[in-house]
Amino acid sequence: EPEVTQTPSHQVTQMGQEVILRCVPISNHLYFYWYRQILGQKVEFLVSFYNNEISEKSEIFDDQFSVERPDGSNFTLKIRSTKLEDSAMYFCATRDRGSGGYTFGSGTRLTVV
Amino acid sequence: RKEVEQDPGPFNVPEGATVAFNCTYSNSASQSFFWYRQDCRKEPKLLMSVYSSGNEDGRFTAQLNRASQYISLLIRDSKLSDSATYLCVVTPGGATNKLIFGTGTLLAVQP
Repeated sequence: EPEVTQTPSHQVTQMGQEVILRCVPISNHLYFYWYRQILGQKVEFLVSFYNNEISEKSEIFDDQFSVERPDGSNFTLKIRSTKLEDSAMYFCATRDRGSGGYTFGSGTRLTVV
Repeated sequence: RKEVEQDPGPFNVPEGATVAFNCTYSNSASQSFFWYRQDCRKEPKLLMSVYSSGNEDGRFTAQLNRASQYISLLIRDSKLSDSATYLCVVTPGGATNKLIFGTGTLLAVQP
């Protein structure tokens, strides 16, 4: 079964540092998403990406966040200057237009210290 | 009012029991409805989509009541492996396809 691959699985970073979370989508999927889940809380939408541009973003996705698809395969989420409250699981998800079903990656656990 | 509301549980049930989860959503224009399952510290995995006519997949039955903005999931003959958090998920409709998650209901099936 095709998978969405995320790296790293766990990242610890110091407050104020930049982090880049990586995702390799399923090859024929066209829509890409980032979600996050703070420990003990619900999964929250961050951003959607289609046709090489952001199609929608939430109020969480402020100027500290950016996404790109630099090489046509990886889909990255960058947090420019991390805060303690950015500590969470970050899930990449991709979707095929045809089926409409989402596939989630296994997530990156980000810990900001 | 929360966009998607669920009883957080936990629901502690013996193996073989039937258990039902409920969910309400606030946006009457919501278009698509799902139940996801999430194991501890893992990614959400689609359990089933929910259709207005109701649908069944083995031991799992989902129902949607658009008039009441209410979704349900019934699990029959619970197995130990059903222990997980069950997430009610909707899409808001319109041009967006983002998923709106409930906080989830924790199920613990006891031997």
